Amino acid sequence: RKEVEQDPGPFNVPEGATVAFNCTYSNSASQSFFWYRQDCRKEPKLLMSVYSSGNEDGRFTAQLNRASQYISLLIRDSKLSDSATYLCVVNRGTASKLTFGTGTRLQVTL
Amino acid sequence: GAGVSQSPSNKVTEKGKDVELRCDPISGHTALYWYRQSLGQGLEFLIYFQGNSAPDKSGLPSDRFSAERTGGSVSTLTIQRTQQEDSAVYLCASSLHLGGNSNQPQHFGDGTRLSIL
Repeated sequence: RKEVEQDPGPFNVPEGATVAFNCTYSNSASQSFFWYRQDCRKEPKLLMSVYSSGNEDGRFTAQLNRASQYISLLIRDSKLSDSATYLCVVNRGTASKLTFGTGTRLQVTL
Repeated sequence: GAGVSQSPSNKVTEKGKDVELRCDPISGHTALYWYRQSLGQGLEFLIYFQGNSAPDKSGLPSDRFSAERTGGSVSTLTIQRTQQEDSAVYLCASSLHLGGNSNQPQHFGDGTRLSIL
C-alpha cells in the first residue's frame, strides 16, 4: 500500500459547484498534514495545513479523520482559477520527511 | 524575505555529460528535499536532508545520482553520465523542523528544467 494515496481524477466540475477530494495515508502515527496546489508547469504551493479540529480558509475547508486515516479538501463555489492539481502531503510520524501523494487534478469549466 | 532559490533555471546538455544543480534553501530551514517531476507526472522523491542527520537517499534512482548539503545550507544534486530519461524538472524544497513529531510545510523553489539531448 502506498504511504499516501489520492484519486488522480480528473474531476471536471462546473463553475460554482462544490467539490471534495480525499487522501488516505498508511501510517497511523502521522502528525502533520498539508494540502498543496500545483499549476501546470509550476512548483507546488502550500494551500493550507490540516488541523485535527478541521480548518477553513475562505472557500476551502480541510478535515482530518484519524480513525479512517484520511484527510479531505472541500472547495465551495468553484472558480475557473481553482483548476489545478491538488497534492496531499503527510509526514511519517517521526518528524521525518514529508511524503506527497500523486495529486488530484481539478478542472473547473464554464 | 528570500524564498528557495534554484539554479540554473534551465539546463540543456548532451547525453553522457555530468550536471550539477544547486539549491539555496530559506535561511534557517533545517530540512531540505530534492524531487523530480516529469511532464504530467507526480513528484518523485529523491533525497532528504535534516540537520546533521544522515540523509535519506532512498529515492535516488541510481548510483549516477548524488547530493550534498554543505554547512547545513546550500545543496547540490549531481547527475553523472546523464541519460535521456533524466530529463525532468528538478525541484528543491526546504522546511523548518521545530522538533518533536511535527513538520512545518515545505516551500519550493522554481525548479531546474533539465533536458538531455
